[in-house]
Order: sequence, then C-alpha cells, then structure tokens
Amino acid sequence: ELKVEQNPLFLSMQEGKNYTIYCNYSTTSDRLYWYRQDPGKSLESLFVLLSNGAVKQEGRLMASLDTKARLSTLHITAAVHDLSATYFCAVGGWETSGSRLTFGEGTQLTVNP
Amino acid sequence: GAVVSQHPSRVICKSGTSVKIECRSLDFQATTMFWYRQFPKKSLMLMATSNEGSKATYEQGVEKDKFLINHASLTLSTLTVTSAHPEDSSFYICSAPAGQGVEAFFGQGTRLTVV
Repeated sequence: ELKVEQNPLFLSMQEGKNYTIYCNYSTTSDRLYWYRQDPGKSLESLFVLLSNGAVKQEGRLMASLDTKARLSTLHITAAVHDLSATYFCAVGGWETSGSRLTFGEGTQLTVNP
Repeated sequence: GAVVSQHPSRVICKSGTSVKIECRSLDFQATTMFWYRQFPKKSLMLMATSNEGSKATYEQGVEKDKFLINHASLTLSTLTVTSAHPEDSSFYICSAPAGQGVEAFFGQGTRLTVV
C-alpha cells in the first residue's frame, strides 16, 4: 500500500523567511504533484514532477523530486502572507488509471507579518 | 488548461434524502474520473474511480450502495449520496486526468451538509 507522509503538518513562519516542506512516499512512483488549498476551496495545481532530479519553480515556490530517496521538497523563499494555505503533495503512477492519486496529510502554512 | 466543473458547490439536505453531485470535463473527454472525500482539516481520501461505460471501482471501506457513481458520458460523472445521514457531511471533490493522464484537474468541490 502506497503511503505518503508530509512534514511538518503545521508551519508558522515570519514573512521574509525561508522554509522547506518534505514529502516522503513508500513505493516507486512516476509522478509527484504539489497542490495548494485555500480554506473552503478546491485544489490548485502547483507542480507536476515526472523524473528524478526534476526541479520546478514558480515565484517563491520551488519543488524538487528525488525518486531514489522517494522524497520531494517544496521550498518557500522569502515567504509572504499570501502564501498562507494548506499544501498537499500527492503521488501517482503510470500503472494505475491515469492520475489516481494518494495524498499526503497536508501542511498548513501560516505566514505572519 | 483543462477545466473540470463540479455542481453544486454547496448543498444542504435533510437526513434520509439523496443528493446528486455532477462532475463535468468541459473541454476534454475523460474516460476515467475520480471522486475524493475530505473531512475538515484532513487530507483527501479517494472514494472511487468512475469508469465510462463500466462499473465504478470503489476503495476499500466505501459503501457502493450508498455512494452511487454513474459515468454517463465521456464528459460527465455523477456521485449520488443515497439516504444521507449527518455523518455523510463532508467536502466532495472530483478530478479528471488530462494531458495523457499526467495532469489531474480538480473540480471546485461540493460542500454537503446533512441536517
């Protein structure tokens, strides 16, 4: 059974600081996704990582994937209040029906002024 | 990008009644769609895989007679919560794969409250 673990689950940080969210998964996978969720809303796609060593950046967020370590990271640079949200990683695989995902527990990020 | 539309976004129903939630892929065809459930401040749990032209595949522990799934066409899947009870209150989200199955696009979600 595929398991996906995120840490930390709760993160409170000051504006301007940097931090990293970690996502570990238990079995080989082809795809790693990062999503953002605002309260009461659905998921917003941030990144799709498809290969070992993949790195993608958008604004203050950068995601990377190490398939050998079964680890993905989401790095936040110079945080701003607007980044406050819950961030989920999710894992999928080619052998399954397209985009059947297993989600991590989520990291609730609060950026304080 | 691909768009998945879910309706309604919010519904309140009485115990014992049934509620239907629709999930449409607006600009692409989806032979497979997924239904997730999310409790407050929790993660998404996959309930079932909706397959166009065949029966849905339910995850372990999900009652198929309670959560009826119909994939009526290549752009529409519906989830019907039958004989709803307060414990069925939750946030339900559908998703559909696009981009040769690489991308997963999510609907807006449906907040179900059973009173």
